[in-house]
Amino acid sequence: DTGVSQNPRHKITKRGQNVTFRCDPISEHNRLYWYRQTLGQGPEFLTYFQNEAQLEKSRLLSDRFSAERPKGSFSTLEIQRTEQGDSAMYLCASSLGQINSPLHFGNGTRLTVT
Amino acid sequence: RKEVEQDPGPFNVPEGATVAFNCTYSNSASQSFFWYRQDCRKEPKLLMSVYSSGNEDGRFTAQLNRASQYISLLIRDSKLSDSATYLCVVGSGSARQLTFGSGTQLTVLP
Repeated sequence: DTGVSQNPRHKITKRGQNVTFRCDPISEHNRLYWYRQTLGQGPEFLTYFQNEAQLEKSRLLSDRFSAERPKGSFSTLEIQRTEQGDSAMYLCASSLGQINSPLHFGNGTRLTVT
Repeated sequence: RKEVEQDPGPFNVPEGATVAFNCTYSNSASQSFFWYRQDCRKEPKLLMSVYSSGNEDGRFTAQLNRASQYISLLIRDSKLSDSATYLCVVGSGSARQLTFGSGTQLTVLP
């Protein structure tokens, strides 16, 4: 399967714990995006990488959130000291990065903070 | 005002019906436009890109009106399998960030 892969599919954690999600993009895609989606809403942009450089971060991304893409391939999104409001679907997407390049999404990681 | 706004829906239509969704965007510098489809508890999947001259893919037709800053999606001869949420997506000139609308839910009834 050469699509975008995300792990884990589901994560249940207690408030205050740290969690880390992984995303493996389509190999020839140089752009990687993280989005968050809650019920009844469209995906909200969090951050994106061009190769290993993190070029933009949303105001939604508080200090508790950090994302890395160390070698320009896979990416991790870490949430520290989770809060109940962090419960959402975290979606990773990749693209070729040209102006009309669409995003290809992974299956997402569903986070539940209890 | 939201950057991308869609008809709230839900739309419930009988099989075979024609249904249209509209989406407006606020950034006049936007240069890329897409419609995505999202099934319940699944990831969004690209339905079609939207080009300036309008484009068609089978039963689906997308239109772009830059002057009024809206895009539309027309589905002809609706099938039960078309039931999903349709997301309007607009990209800035740099294409660094694609902004999604909240989605319009469509249910095609037998």
